[in-house]
Amino acid sequence: SQQGEEDPQALSIQEGENATMNCSYKTSINNLQWYRQNSGRGLVHLILIRSNEREKHSGRLRVTLDTSKKSSSLLITASRAADTASYFCATGGGADGLTFGKGTHLIIQP
Amino acid sequence: DGGITQSPKYLFRKEGQNVTLSCEQNLNHDAMYWYRQDPGQGLRLIYYSQIVNDFQKGDIAEGYSVSREKKESFPLTVTSAQKNPTAFYLCASTGQSGANVLTFGAGSRLTVL
Repeated sequence: SQQGEEDPQALSIQEGENATMNCSYKTSINNLQWYRQNSGRGLVHLILIRSNEREKHSGRLRVTLDTSKKSSSLLITASRAADTASYFCATGGGADGLTFGKGTHLIIQP
Repeated sequence: DGGITQSPKYLFRKEGQNVTLSCEQNLNHDAMYWYRQDPGQGLRLIYYSQIVNDFQKGDIAEGYSVSREKKESFPLTVTSAQKNPTAFYLCASTGQSGANVLTFGAGSRLTVL
């Protein structure tokens, strides 16, 4: 099954800095999604990028997709303490739902 | 407000007991899913259901059972056959075909004593 793997596993930055995390996957995709999970909570959908798109923006989020390298990146600009969470990429979209990576744990230091 | 409600949020059980986790949605979504999350790990699919009275095994269905008698409800039973049931369980649903953007519940944390 398709699977994303995020890199790095953990990232700690100062508030106000930009945070970049990456996702690699194994097979061809129709789209790729990013989700956020606050500690002990459910996941929240952030953004979806389709295979024919190279870049997408949503507020302080910027997602890129390189299908030739089978990789995606999520950039969070001007980070805030509230951005502290785990971030997951997900692929799939068929009847059996999505396949998630292990996530990047992001810590924003005040 | 529409959403997914999971209960209980925390559950403790003794070895050998079956427990049932509730998942209710008022989003009018057709498809529902159960995922398991272990510390520092991603989500693994347990069961999913596309329509009422039909469900399919996911990647780690052994030791679990589900039912889908109503569109709104998709309860998960963790049976005594599940060898390592301590985990965080997440229910999700989607009403979109193709893209499958999932809406998640807040999760249920099961601890086996």
